[in-house]
Amino acid sequence: GQNIDQPTEMTATEGAIVQINCTYQTSGFNGLFWYQQHAGEAPTFLSYNVLDGLEEKGRFSSFLSRSKGYSYLLLKELQMKDSASYLCAVRDPGVGGGNKLTFGTGTQLKVEL
Amino acid sequence: NAGVMQNPRHLVRRRGQEARLRCSPMKGHSHVYWYRQLPEEGLKFMVYLQKENIIDESGMPKERFSAEFPKEGPSILRIQQVVRGDSAAYFCASSPDLPLQGETQYFGPGTRLLVL
Repeated sequence: GQNIDQPTEMTATEGAIVQINCTYQTSGFNGLFWYQQHAGEAPTFLSYNVLDGLEEKGRFSSFLSRSKGYSYLLLKELQMKDSASYLCAVRDPGVGGGNKLTFGTGTQLKVEL
Repeated sequence: NAGVMQNPRHLVRRRGQEARLRCSPMKGHSHVYWYRQLPEEGLKFMVYLQKENIIDESGMPKERFSAEFPKEGPSILRIQQVVRGDSAAYFCASSPDLPLQGETQYFGPGTRLLVL
């Protein structure tokens, strides 16, 4: 079966660093994605990992350990506009090699002053 | 290069009516995915289509829901005889014809369906 777990919500302070964890158990794996979704809007792509290790992209970094079924998203120098839901998603080859995404329920991050 | 287009953005239907949701993928993309997001829940895969073909419909409810992606025109997700439980945001995503290893799916703005 498919199971992706991430915390429901987190709170952090402006300027700080926050780490959002994600664990997964899926029948197939062809990469892990992090998306940001503001309320009422479409998910927007943040990062992608397919090999173990850390990928850095400005204020955002993402880490993957395939053997542990674990990833995290690290956000540095938090800004108020970072308040959003962060979605962990695993790409599954699926039927016909379609590479569908299986999503966690998302972590609602609230950035406070 | 326009992004993924979806219309309508908001749709209100009464129980028993039909809902038609449209999605135009990004230029150069012929792979379309539909996802549903129920209130307070994550995005759930529904169906994956290529032009004129349904490739994976493992996430589609068995009844009342259908999808198509004709040779010409947008992809359409159709919900017949809607019920209140169908109220959700429906997102369409597209990906390139020959995706690179890290190529992601690009999401449209979604259609928010409300069934009264």
